[in-house]
Formats: sequence, structure tokens, C-alpha cells
Amino acid sequence: AQSVTQPDIHITVSEGASLELRCNYSYGATPYLFWYVQSPGQGLQLLLKYFSGDTLVQGIKGFEAEFKRSQSSFNLRKPSVHWSDAAEYFCAVEGNGNKLVFGAGTILRVKS
Amino acid sequence: NAGVTQTPKFRVLKTGQSMTLLCAQDMNHEYMYWYRQDPGMGLRLIHYSVGEGTTAKGEVPDGYNVSRLKKQNFLLGLESAAPSQTSVYFCASSYSTGAWKGQTQYFGPGTRLLVL
Repeated sequence: AQSVTQPDIHITVSEGASLELRCNYSYGATPYLFWYVQSPGQGLQLLLKYFSGDTLVQGIKGFEAEFKRSQSSFNLRKPSVHWSDAAEYFCAVEGNGNKLVFGAGTILRVKS
Repeated sequence: NAGVTQTPKFRVLKTGQSMTLLCAQDMNHEYMYWYRQDPGMGLRLIHYSVGEGTTAKGEVPDGYNVSRLKKQNFLLGLESAAPSQTSVYFCASSYSTGAWKGQTQYFGPGTRLLVL
């Protein structure tokens, strides 16, 4: 069965510092991977997705993610965090029939 | 273009009461989904639909029913609410090209449900 692990429940970074959010997945075939962001009181918005080709994927709001098959990872990165990036971030893998399996989420706090 | 909308935004129920959550999308998407979000557990799929008139069970379907009578609407029903159903419920929709994979799901703003 597919599964997604986000090892960090909370992460705090200073504004302007770099960010890396970890995601590990378990899936038998070629994975289709997603990162979503949820601002407080809002629904989820897609940041980026990967399903083939270049292993470094660019997304919206200056985010990128790197797919590493050997490590079963799809970590999200941003070179310089802004206060508006404070939110909860979810990694997901697509299983059968376009169904997503989500990780538990990582809450990002940004300190000024 | 409103995207995915959900009604109501917030509701308080007593144990045993029933209610229906409404999800509507104006993007002509084939697929629609209902998730629940609980702290530390991410989002879990309750039921989903791959087209008008069809529904299927997800990961946590017990205690819920759904209907997709119109392509743009997906209803989630709780026949007899229980405190364990206190959660935030999200609806989502996606376009299907027949290739099945990699479609972006678009989410509504959520419904907060408290069952006392």
C-alpha cells in the first residue's frame, strides 16, 4: 500500500533563511508526487508535482522539490523564506485511480 | 469562476443528528472527492466519485454516505453523527483525461464540524 511520511511535525525558520521540508514515500511503481500548502483556515493549494522527467521540479511561490528514487524522497525547498510562507505543508503520492495519499503534514513557523 | 465551494462553513451537531455537506464545482471536472482532516493525520479519503451517478469508498467511509446526482455537485451525508466525526471536511475535484495519473486536485475551503 502507498504511504507518505513527513518526519517533521513542526519546523521554525527565520525569515530569509533557507527551508527544506522532508517527505519519504512508499509506492511500488513510478510515483506521482505532490506538494500542497494549506494557509490557516484555507483549503489546500498545489505547489508543485512530479511524475516524470527532470528530477528537480519548480513550483509556485519560489518553491522547488527534488525527486530521489534511491532514497524514496521528495523534499521541498525554498532558498529564502518569507513570513507569508507560514502554513502547513502536505506531501502526497497518487495511488490507484487518481486517489491521493497524504502525509501527516509539516507546520512551518517563520520568525522575524 | 468560483472553483470549489462548500456549504456550510461551520456546523455544530448533537450526537445522533444528521446533516448533509454540499460541495459544488464549476470547472466541469469528472472526479470529486471528500476528505477529512484531523490533527497529525493529514487528509484521509472518505468517498470519491469518478463521474455523475457513480461513487466509491475511500479509506475511511464508515458512518458516511455520498451522492453525485449532478456532475457539479457531490454531497456528503452523516446519518447519525458521532463525536468521532468531529473534523474538518474538504471537498476536491479533478479533471480526468483518461490517463488517470498526475491530475491536480482542487480543494474547497473546508467545513468545520463539531459533534457534541
